[in-house]
Amino acid sequence: QQKVQQSPESLIVPEGGMASLNCTSSDRNVDYFWWYRQHSGKSPKMLMSIFSNGEKEEGRFTVHLNKASLHTSLHIRDSQPSDSALYLCAASIDMGYKLTFGTGTSLLVDP
Amino acid sequence: EAAVTQSPRNKVTVTGGNVTLSCRQTNSHNYMYWYRQDTGHGLRLIHYSYGAGNLQIGDVPDGYKATRTTQEDFFLLLELASPSQTSLYFCASSDLGVYAEQFFGPGTRLTVL
Repeated sequence: QQKVQQSPESLIVPEGGMASLNCTSSDRNVDYFWWYRQHSGKSPKMLMSIFSNGEKEEGRFTVHLNKASLHTSLHIRDSQPSDSALYLCAASIDMGYKLTFGTGTSLLVDP
Repeated sequence: EAAVTQSPRNKVTVTGGNVTLSCRQTNSHNYMYWYRQDTGHGLRLIHYSYGAGNLQIGDVPDGYKATRTTQEDFFLLLELASPSQTSLYFCASSDLGVYAEQFFGPGTRLTVL
């Protein structure tokens, strides 16, 4: 059973700062990564996904993927208090129906 | 956006009790999933299904049964609940296409005393 490791466990950044979150899978068959965001007391919602080497940008959010090392990272620039949440990384094999989630990074943006 | 609802939202039962958690999705998604979320463990997949009558085993299935009665409805059954099953349970659904996004319901908080 594959493992998905996330770091750091928690992170505090000042408002307007850059947050960087990391995620690595132990399974060489992983073919897709997702990032989900979960605000306190709410359900997870998909933020971004990536399957090819390189980076993908959507507004203030950028995701990087290095398939050789099975490492993905999420970067949030100009962080806002509303970005404070639990960020969950998920990886899939076999066309993405079955996801394995990491334990998450708890981000606090300090106003 | 997909609509996934869960009931009940909160449930308290005793050790050895029977519990059924319900999930309904109204966007005709083929796939439905049951997860549990615990501090320090993240989200863990219990069971999932790709259509009515189908059931696939997830990563932490022990102590749980599931049944998909229709395209819309997926149930999680705890027949002899134990305190270790105290958790936050999420249902999710996704479309048939590969790498489809999963949409989560609001969650059910279950406490087993």
